[in-house]
Amino acid sequence: GQQVMQIPQYQHVQEGEDFTTYCNSSTTLSNIQWYKQRPGGHPVFLIQLVKSGEVKKQKRLTFQFGEAKKNSSLHITATQTTDVGTYFCAAPGGSYIPTFGRGTSLIVHP
Amino acid sequence: DSGVTQTPKHLITATGQRVTLRCSPRSGDLSVYWYQQSLDQGLQFLIQYYNGEERAKGNILERFSAQQFPDLHSELNLSSLELGDSALYFCASSGRDRRTDTQYFGPGTRLTVL
Repeated sequence: GQQVMQIPQYQHVQEGEDFTTYCNSSTTLSNIQWYKQRPGGHPVFLIQLVKSGEVKKQKRLTFQFGEAKKNSSLHITATQTTDVGTYFCAAPGGSYIPTFGRGTSLIVHP
Repeated sequence: DSGVTQTPKHLITATGQRVTLRCSPRSGDLSVYWYQQSLDQGLQFLIQYYNGEERAKGNILERFSAQQFPDLHSELNLSSLELGDSALYFCASSGRDRRTDTQYFGPGTRLTVL
């Protein structure tokens, strides 16, 4: 079945540094979604990207969808301690099966 | 608050037992998804129901079953529990907004099998 590879698995940063997580698929995606899960919490929807080459921003977060619609990235500028959590990408798979990446856990050191 | 509710919040049981996890979707959502999340693991998709019918099946063990009732709430039944079944179980719902398949997750049920 379709797989979405997400890297890195963990990322330690000093507060104020930037952070990026990447998702890659071997197949063309119709769309990709990003979710954030705080420690002890549940995944929360952040954004959906649909168009080739699409870039969307939410304050310090920048989301990109590749031109070939096979990869996506989430970039956080000047991380804060409130950014701590695990970021997941998700894509629709075959037969309605949603596919989540393994997630990137962001640890921000004050 | 996502609007999705799950009960119970915590469940501690013994190996070999059977438990039922309950999920109420957001008002207007027809789809319910179940996921398992173990320590350091991602979200493993188990099963999806749409308006009472099973729509998709993922890595769900034969010891596990689910159903969606006419009022759209869903239950996940886990039987012959093993230590390895200890995990967070999330329910998510979607469908109210037909333009997107965004999933709204409940707070989860933490299952501990001793």
